[in-house]
Amino acid sequence: AQSVTQPDARVTVSEGASLQLRCKYSYFGTPYLFWYVQYPRQGLQLLLKYYPGDPVVQGVNGFEAEFSKSNSSFHLRKASVHWSDWAVYFCAVSMGHNQGKLIFGQGTKLSIKP
Amino acid sequence: GGIITQTPKFLIGQEGQKLTLKCQQNFNHDTMYWYRQDSGKGLRLIYYSITENDLQKGDLSEGYDASREKKSSFSLTVTSAQKNEMAVFLCASSIGSGGSERLFFGHGTKLSVL
Repeated sequence: AQSVTQPDARVTVSEGASLQLRCKYSYFGTPYLFWYVQYPRQGLQLLLKYYPGDPVVQGVNGFEAEFSKSNSSFHLRKASVHWSDWAVYFCAVSMGHNQGKLIFGQGTKLSIKP
Repeated sequence: GGIITQTPKFLIGQEGQKLTLKCQQNFNHDTMYWYRQDSGKGLRLIYYSITENDLQKGDLSEGYDASREKKSSFSLTVTSAQKNEMAVFLCASSIGSGGSERLFFGHGTKLSVL
């Protein structure tokens, strides 16, 4: 069965520092992969999505993610974090088009040090 | 743009009580979802529906019923609330049959059971 693991429940980085949030998936085949963000007191919003193709995907607000089939990973990166990036980040996987459900990871809570 | 409206925002129930949560979307999306969000466990899929009167079970469907009588609305019933249960229920929708499209989320219904 497909699954997603985000090994870091909490990450704290300094403002202006680089960021990597880890995501590992389990699926036999090529999945569709997503990163969603939940800002305080707001609904979840899509940051970026991967469809089979270019392994590096650009998202909003300077975020990008890289798909690695050999490592079964889809890590999220940002070169320089801002205090407004303080949020919970969720990785998600689906089996593809018309396959209905999206499976989410446990989430990583990102805190920013001034 | 569209919006997903979840009612009520807060729901306090008694142990054993049947509780109903409602969700409306005006995107004219085909697929709607109910997820449960628990701290440290991410989002878990309860039910989804790919069209009016369709229901598909997710990984957490036991203890819940769902209903999709109209394309724009999707309700979730907790059949017997568990004492000290506390969770946020998120409704979402997507165009098409789901899997490869972005999900749009409501702001959630926060459930507390006394």
